[in-house]
Amino acid sequence: EAGVTQSPTHLIKTRGQQATLRCSPISGHTSVYWYQQALGLGLQFLLWYDEGEERNRGNFPPRFSGRQFPNYSSELNVNALELEDSALYLCASSFEPGTGGNQPQHFGDGTRLSIL
Amino acid sequence: AQTVTQSQPEMSVQEAETVTLSCTYDTSESDYYLFWYKQPPSRQMILVIRQEAYKQQNATENRFSVNFQKAAKSFSLKISDSQLGDAAMYFCAYSAGGADGLTFGKGTHLIIQP
Repeated sequence: EAGVTQSPTHLIKTRGQQATLRCSPISGHTSVYWYQQALGLGLQFLLWYDEGEERNRGNFPPRFSGRQFPNYSSELNVNALELEDSALYLCASSFEPGTGGNQPQHFGDGTRLSIL
Repeated sequence: AQTVTQSQPEMSVQEAETVTLSCTYDTSESDYYLFWYKQPPSRQMILVIRQEAYKQQNATENRFSVNFQKAAKSFSLKISDSQLGDAAMYFCAYSAGGADGLTFGKGTHLIIQP
């Protein structure tokens, strides 16, 4: 069984540009979570998608957005990139029949976003 | 808001010995879930063990076991017979089963000395 896959592995951008990160969940998983792992800040919850809908977002500005496609894969978009957006972005998937958060989340290898 | 605290930024243990990583959390919920994740240098987060708060029995997975003290809001991870492959960052995480994703601690860097 294939795990959670994320692309690209590494992304280099400059301030003000836009970045798009992609995630494919484990087959059968309908929920996708995005986390930011910035140096010194630890892992912070960004977004939760389930069944194609954004269910919740963490304490991040609106320039962090995304979507979930009918095949449950997901995209994270970060607009107007700032230096402090440099971080490892981790995607996780799970099967959440309703409420969310109960089932173990399975993580991908992450996308390292570097802002120059 | 829920918080998770890992008070040991770094721990070192000899190969084959036992080590315990500490985690405390703060919540007003009565039903929740606790997890330990491992992140080796390859950076993928790997689930080590999961505990449901309504279960009194401590979870175990082979060499990994937890000491869950609900009243004290403590959730420590014990690794027995440490192996070189156990070297990694270990994160304690909390979920109340709602929509807020996982709340992580800052992590403990575990070093295994041969």
